[in-house]
Amino acid sequence: NAGVMQNPRHLVRRRGQEARLRCSPMKGHSHVYWYRQLPEEGLKFMVYLQKENIIDESGMPKERFSAEFPKEGPSILRIQQVVRGDSAAYFCASSPTRGAGTGVNQPQHFGDGTRLSIL
Amino acid sequence: GIQVEQSPPDLILQEGANSTLRCNFSDSVNNLQWFHQNPWGQLINLFYIPSGTKQNGRLSATTVATERYSLLYISSSQTTDSGVYFCAVGNAGGTSYGKLTFGQGTILTVHP
Repeated sequence: NAGVMQNPRHLVRRRGQEARLRCSPMKGHSHVYWYRQLPEEGLKFMVYLQKENIIDESGMPKERFSAEFPKEGPSILRIQQVVRGDSAAYFCASSPTRGAGTGVNQPQHFGDGTRLSIL
Repeated sequence: GIQVEQSPPDLILQEGANSTLRCNFSDSVNNLQWFHQNPWGQLINLFYIPSGTKQNGRLSATTVATERYSLLYISSSQTTDSGVYFCAVGNAGGTSYGKLTFGQGTILTVHP
């Protein structure tokens, strides 16, 4: 299966610990998006990355959250000093490279998500 | 930013019935996707349909971009169709960089 791979599927942390969520995009995709789904809510955009660059982090909380997409390896969403309110499903999506300046958009392909529970 | 409204919020059907889900959006888009979130939380990509009409088995979708709405049709519904249906839109122009804005979803329950 060459889909978007997220791990772990479930992650349990105690308040104050760090959580690291990983996302490997589909082969050939260079755009990665992270979304968060709080309980009983829809998905909300967090951050958009290309290799080694954060393009748009307008949806990221200002503190404790960070994301990276290194030249080699998966994209990482990192949450420091987790609190109960961070409990949510975190989804990663990837899309293929699109023509610069053309306005052409591409569908985003989603992983199965990481369910983060904070004790 | 773009506003996305889905209707109805809840829908209860008997197996075999047909249904139409609607998605209204507030601005021009060049990406529109329909998703089914199953009871295990997985997001299943149903359609990529920024304009026009597509069909896949019992499901079909139509987007009228000029009037800023999209419709998802489910025919001969089955219990496995139960779950939440999300519409998500995006626009690669300007500063939105193609991020998707999701509606609040339609919760579909199909009874046997």
